[in-house]
Amino acid sequence: GDSVTQMEGPVTLSEEAFLTINCTYTATGYPSLFWYVQYPGEGLQLLLKATKADDKGSNKGFEATYRKETTSFHLEKGSVQVSDSAVYFCALSRQGGSEKLVFGKGTKLTVNP
Amino acid sequence: EAQVTQNPRYLITVTGKKLTVTCSQNMNHEYMSWYRQDPGLGLRQIYYSMNVEVTDKGDVPEGYKVSRKEKRNFPLILESPSPNQTSLYFCASRQQTATNEKLFFGSGTQLSVL
Repeated sequence: GDSVTQMEGPVTLSEEAFLTINCTYTATGYPSLFWYVQYPGEGLQLLLKATKADDKGSNKGFEATYRKETTSFHLEKGSVQVSDSAVYFCALSRQGGSEKLVFGKGTKLTVNP
Repeated sequence: EAQVTQNPRYLITVTGKKLTVTCSQNMNHEYMSWYRQDPGLGLRQIYYSMNVEVTDKGDVPEGYKVSRKEKRNFPLILESPSPNQTSLYFCASRQQTATNEKLFFGSGTQLSVL
């Protein structure tokens, strides 16, 4: 069945470091891909999304490119801040939209000053 | 303020005692959904609803019921809770336009079944 695999956490970085969180997926057809962020004590927020191959989603300095050839959607940010400390979830939707999301297990990021 | 409101925030109960977790959104969204979050398993979808009186199973519906009698409310019902339903639960609703969509999540309900 469809699945999402994220790199194991936790990830600890210093402020202004470069961030990559790997995400690969297994799915039939052409799913939509998402990154969600969960700040401590809060629900999830959509960070960015991409709906077709080679699309790049971006928001708040984060980027991810839909790579169908490698079935990947890696999250990157050039310079992280302490406020980026959160849990990041990669997800796919089999139906194009977010009706039935399949989530990865989440990657906890801690950014130290 | 646009929001998804879940209640209660925390709940401790005993095996077999029926409970309801409420979810309400004030954005007139048609789509709503319930997820559970467990360590090492991430988020898994329980049920979702495309509109009033339209509900469908997600990946882990066993032991849960939902209803969608009106657009703003989507309660999650555990008829006979068991310890394996101890989890953090999230409700979500979706804003959809012609060119984009966004899920709004509630703050979560931490349920412990003893």
